[in-house]
Amino acid sequence: DVKVTQSSRYLVKRTGEKVFLECVQDMDHENMFWYRQDPGPGLRLIYFSYDVKMKEKGDIPEGYSVSREKKERFSLILESASTNQTSMYLCASRRIDAEKLFFGSGTQLSVL
Amino acid sequence: RKEVEQDPGPFNVPEGATVAFNCTYSNSASQSFFWYRQDCRKEPKLLMSVYSSGNEDGRFTAQLNRASQYISLLIRDSKLSDSATYLCVVNMRGSARQLTFGSGTQLTVLP
Repeated sequence: DVKVTQSSRYLVKRTGEKVFLECVQDMDHENMFWYRQDPGPGLRLIYFSYDVKMKEKGDIPEGYSVSREKKERFSLILESASTNQTSMYLCASRRIDAEKLFFGSGTQLSVL
Repeated sequence: RKEVEQDPGPFNVPEGATVAFNCTYSNSASQSFFWYRQDCRKEPKLLMSVYSSGNEDGRFTAQLNRASQYISLLIRDSKLSDSATYLCVVNMRGSARQLTFGSGTQLTVLP
């Protein structure tokens, strides 16, 4: 089974802190994604990556950046965390020729 | 208008009931469609793909109506374990945005 691992299940940070969310997948998937999930809007795409060092903005990239230096790892960076970035963050991956997404178990981030 | 819209519910149904969810999408060029299931405080997981001819997987039936731009999910003989949020997902091939998720429909099956 594909495993997508997110480094933290719960995270509490202060406004202005730099935050790193890490995601690792073990199935050599080319595509990786970062979503945030909120009541109301639901799942929204922040960034995605086609392959190593390749990234594209999703629907809500403002306030976020990403890094994909290795195929298995996709990092989401909040340069200066703000309270409106309190959310559930979900990482996902998939093969380039497949539709099915595999999600990590999520990181609940609280910014105080 | 949201690209993918679902009735958020909640739908509260007794065990054994049949329940149906609909989902509408705005982009007529959309190519592929899915239902994902998300349990409380867990990640979404693919439930089933939705094909033009309709498809069935046990108690679950998914249908696509391209003319009216909606997809549906029918659950027969619902079980307590079916309680979850069901996410409608649409992919417009070639779109840089990849998959677009609906906000989800919450189902609770009551004993």
